[in-house]
Amino acid sequence: ETGVTQSPTHLIKTRGQQVTLRCSSQSGHNTVSWYQQALGQGPQFIFQYYREEENGRGNFPPRFSGLQFPNYSSELNVNALELDDSALYLCASSAQDTFGELFFGEGSRLTVL
Amino acid sequence: QKEVEQDPGPLSVPEGAIVSLNCTYSNSAFQYFMWYRQYSRKGPELLMYTYSSGNKEDGRFTAQVDKSSKYISLFIRDSQPSDSATYLCAPADFGNEKLTFGTGTRLTIIP
Repeated sequence: ETGVTQSPTHLIKTRGQQVTLRCSSQSGHNTVSWYQQALGQGPQFIFQYYREEENGRGNFPPRFSGLQFPNYSSELNVNALELDDSALYLCASSAQDTFGELFFGEGSRLTVL
Repeated sequence: QKEVEQDPGPLSVPEGAIVSLNCTYSNSAFQYFMWYRQYSRKGPELLMYTYSSGNKEDGRFTAQVDKSSKYISLFIRDSQPSDSATYLCAPADFGNEKLTFGTGTRLTIIP
């Protein structure tokens, strides 16, 4: 059974640029959630995708957008990067009938200069 | 006021000690209470969850919820160096897709 994988693991961008982060969900999971974890903080919910549609969104501006593909993998896109976007971005997959049981990847560490 | 408050620590205890980790929350709608463990440079992993008030035990770990005071606890008995990690509480209400994580408490078990 393959776990949640994320790419890239680390990346550096400059303010104003755009970034795309990728996530492959665990086998058998049809739901993907994205979280932002700033240094020394707990993860904050960005949004969730279920069957290729957004299924809930946290308090993040529209420049944070996402996609889910038919194979349940997902992308997180962030436009017009700001310094405060520097964080660990975590993807988590879950099965629809297992509330609260998220399986996280190791994250993509984004640094914005 | 944050929805979930958790002392960030750091907390250092000797091996074999009993560890108590706590969170408070403000949202009365929360009914599910998860504890996640996050090792350095890793993603969080689900440790335990409870529904509504009461206790739940799993090996050396006990989760406790007091909904009347909006207080969540995780106890670790016979702590081991391998328990050194950040512990995140994450309450949620059914039907809401998101988990609301606390700041996390960084725990170190000293051999």
